[in-house]
Amino acid sequence: KAGVTQTPRYLIKTRGQQVTLSCSPISGHRSVSWYQQTPGQGLQFLFEYFSETQRNKGNFPGRFSGRQFSNSRSEMNVSTLELGDSALYLCASSRDGTPNTEAFFGQGTRLTVV
Amino acid sequence: GQNIDQPTEMTATEGAIVQINCTYQTSGFNGLFWYQQHAGEAPTFLSYNVLDGLEEKGRFSSFLSRSKGYSYLLLKELQMKDSASYLCAVIPPLSGGYNKLIFGAGTRLAVHP
Repeated sequence: KAGVTQTPRYLIKTRGQQVTLSCSPISGHRSVSWYQQTPGQGLQFLFEYFSETQRNKGNFPGRFSGRQFSNSRSEMNVSTLELGDSALYLCASSRDGTPNTEAFFGQGTRLTVV
Repeated sequence: GQNIDQPTEMTATEGAIVQINCTYQTSGFNGLFWYQQHAGEAPTFLSYNVLDGLEEKGRFSSFLSRSKGYSYLLLKELQMKDSASYLCAVIPPLSGGYNKLIFGAGTRLAVHP
C-alpha cells in the first residue's frame, strides 16, 4: 500500500511569508501528527489530528497551525515565517493514534527560510 | 515534563554488537519507541516497549526497565547499512496522549568495516 505522502519535498520561502505543507496519510489511517526536525533540537512534536479534530498540541507559537480534512489528509500552515523555522517537517500517520500502534513517517518537507 | 538522554555518537565494527542506551525522566509513561533514521530519509519504526523486559526482532532487540527509566536498543551482527541515527521516543501521559511522541536527540551510529 502507498506510504505517507508529503508535498512539496522542498520549499524556499522568504521571511515574513506564509507556507502550507500537505500530508496524505496511509489509506485507512485517521491520525496524523506533525513534527519539526532541526539539527539543534531534534524531532519536536507540533500537533496531532484525529477525525478532523486537534487532539494534542506541542509547545510552538500560534504561527503554527494545522487542520485535517474528512479524508484524513492534513495540512499545516506557518505564518510570518522566521529564519528559525527552517527545518524538516515530518508527518506521521497511524490507524487511530493509540499508544501501541505504529506511526509511519513521510519523507518530510524541507523548508528553508531566507 | 519529559527529558530523554541518549549518547550523541557511537562507532562500531561490522559484524559486532552495539548497545544504544536511552534514559528518560517523565511524569508518566505510556510506552517507548525506537526509530531508525538514515540521513535524508524518514524515521522508520524499529520497536515498541510498554512492559519491562526484552523484545527481540531479528537482529534488533529492545529492552525496557520502567522503574529505572531506562531502555536500550541492541543491534547484533552489524552491517554497514545500520549506519544511521537511532531515535528513542516516549509517549507522555494520556493527557498529552495519543500519537504524541517525545523524542531524544538521537544517537548517530557509524559502522566501520
